Amino acid sequence: ELKVEQNPLFLSMQEGKNYTIYCNYSTTSDRLYWYRQDPGKSLESLFVLLSNGAVKQEGRLMASLDTKARLSTLHITAAVHDLSATYFCAVVSFSGGYNKLIFGAGTRLAVHP
Amino acid sequence: EPEVTQTPSHQVTQMGQEVILRCVPISNHLYFYWYRQILGQKVEFLVSFYNNEISEKSEIFDDQFSVERPDGSNFTLKIRSTKLEDSAMYFCASSETSSYSNQPQHFGDGTRLSIL
Repeated sequence: ELKVEQNPLFLSMQEGKNYTIYCNYSTTSDRLYWYRQDPGKSLESLFVLLSNGAVKQEGRLMASLDTKARLSTLHITAAVHDLSATYFCAVVSFSGGYNKLIFGAGTRLAVHP
Repeated sequence: EPEVTQTPSHQVTQMGQEVILRCVPISNHLYFYWYRQILGQKVEFLVSFYNNEISEKSEIFDDQFSVERPDGSNFTLKIRSTKLEDSAMYFCASSETSSYSNQPQHFGDGTRLSIL
């Protein structure tokens, strides 16, 4: 059964600093998504990573996927307060030709002055 | 931009009562999903639906749960006899194709279900 682990679970960052969130998963998959969730809100798709070595960047966020290591990273550059949210990675699990998303526990990010 | 819409945004129900959560997926999407998120916890898969039938369901999706696409636009989740532990945020999602593509699943804003 596919398991997805994120760390850290909580991250308090100063504005302007860099940090990386890690997402490990237990079985083979080459599809991984990153979502952002603000308190009480829905899940906003940030990145779709479709193959080994995929790297996507949007603003201060950059995501990468290493399918051999079963690892994805979400790197935050020069954090700003607006990035405060919970970030989830979700790995696609295929079964019988259909699919579902298995989510990590989420990383609650707080960016402060 | 097309959205997945869910109603109601908040549902309060007495334990043992039936509840129906409604979703309107994005119109050209073919794959539909329900997930739930207990407060402060991770998002958990409940069920996927394609071609008018369940394609996969999780252990959480027991006989008390059912899904239906009654009219070609709505996608509903019914809980027959609610329990306290059913209290959670329920998210509907849809995707144009299976996730073996570059299209993510698009999530609705969720229905917060509170069982008293």
